[in-house]
Amino acid sequence: DAGITQSPRHKVTETGTPVTLRCHQTENHRYMYWYRQDPGHGLRLIHYSYGVKDTDKGEVSDGYSVSRSKTEDFLLTLESATSSQTSVYFCATYRDPANTGELFFGEGSRLTVL
Amino acid sequence: GESVGLHLPTLSVQEGDNSIINCAYSNSASDYFIWYKQESGKGPQFIIDIRSNMDKRQGQRVTVLLNKTVKHLSLQIAATQPGDSAVYFCAEIPSSGNTGKLIFGQGTTLQVKP
Repeated sequence: DAGITQSPRHKVTETGTPVTLRCHQTENHRYMYWYRQDPGHGLRLIHYSYGVKDTDKGEVSDGYSVSRSKTEDFLLTLESATSSQTSVYFCATYRDPANTGELFFGEGSRLTVL
Repeated sequence: GESVGLHLPTLSVQEGDNSIINCAYSNSASDYFIWYKQESGKGPQFIIDIRSNMDKRQGQRVTVLLNKTVKHLSLQIAATQPGDSAVYFCAEIPSSGNTGKLIFGQGTTLQVKP
């Protein structure tokens, strides 16, 4: 295990409220990612980070922002949650350099927006 | 555009039989192709990967085959066991550098009948 902890694991919130999900890793991996998983869509990349304070958008980044102030922490923020953001969110890390396609995933955070 | 897809949403096999899970991809320039296993309530877990310059790679009870001519990837599981029941995702890393940015297919649910 790569020592990836996501918090909270479950959250129910109301439309329009801000939400922050936290990902913490203990492996000193350079790259970190936030994915969302929805039925019929598999896993889709929201944002990723290639180092402290270095982040970039993924394919479904609208409505999300991220921050990475330390190597071990990657935060995903929904500034004003909407029902379409109800999903399971996964954080992942990637070792660099790596001659592999192996990402290490957290256990997921289930978010319900009412 | 880039997409990775699996042929069947659900595959049911008898315990002890071999399983074959298929995946089609569209980006012929991808560097890595990867298979992940996701058990209920957990994050995806790396199974095996294959580089684009290979046709076959074997692991413990698993074999991945890559047919670049028809852009097809398959995962073979030998002597399928109840513990193999899970959702299996294929994924690819585009050729824009090995930063671990995976594009996932939608997943195939493998059901193992006792």
